[in-house]
Amino acid sequence: AQSVSQHNHHVILSEAASLELGCNYSYGGTVNLFWYVQYPGQHLQLLLKYFSGDPLVKGIKGFEAEFIKSKFSFNLRKPSVQWSDTAEYFCAVIPNRDDKIIFGKGTRLHILP
Amino acid sequence: KAGVTQTPRYLIKTRGQQVTLSCSPISGHRSVSWYQQTPGQGLQFLFEYFSETQRNKGNFPGRFSGRQFSNSRSEMNVSTLELGDSALYLCASIDPTSGSPPVFGPGTRLTVL
Repeated sequence: AQSVSQHNHHVILSEAASLELGCNYSYGGTVNLFWYVQYPGQHLQLLLKYFSGDPLVKGIKGFEAEFIKSKFSFNLRKPSVQWSDTAEYFCAVIPNRDDKIIFGKGTRLHILP
Repeated sequence: KAGVTQTPRYLIKTRGQQVTLSCSPISGHRSVSWYQQTPGQGLQFLFEYFSETQRNKGNFPGRFSGRQFSNSRSEMNVSTLELGDSALYLCASIDPTSGSPPVFGPGTRLTVL
């Protein structure tokens, strides 16, 4: 079955630390990839997306993600986190353009001031 | 464009009751997907509707059902509520023709007592 795995369920970092959240998916064909963020009490918001082209994509708030096709991975990175990055982060995949979006179980990120 | 609207925002029900949740997608979006979000399980796919037809269905019991109207508004219904149905129910609005990522509503927080 198609699935998305997020390696860390809960991450705690200090401000200015670097961040990398892992995401792997199990689908061999063409995929659209996303990272969504859910700040406390807020909607799910799109952080960044990959459809095709440059495998290194830039998102909002200084986040970026790298698509590595050979590893079926789409890891999220940020060089220096801020307290306001405290949120839950979800990796998601659409295996085919008209298919449903499949989410990972989320990573809860807590940044210490 | 107005965002995705979900009503009601909060609901408290007791076991055995039924509930109907509503989602109005972004104008022009003909696809609506529903997700159940619970701590530790992330977002689990319920079903997807496109042009009033259910296109995909997740692995939920028959107590969970949905429909979509000609104006693309969608409803989901849960009958014979159980304590485990307590969750945030999210609706995603999708325009499959554009390839744009899904846009999520604020969700309906259902509490079953």
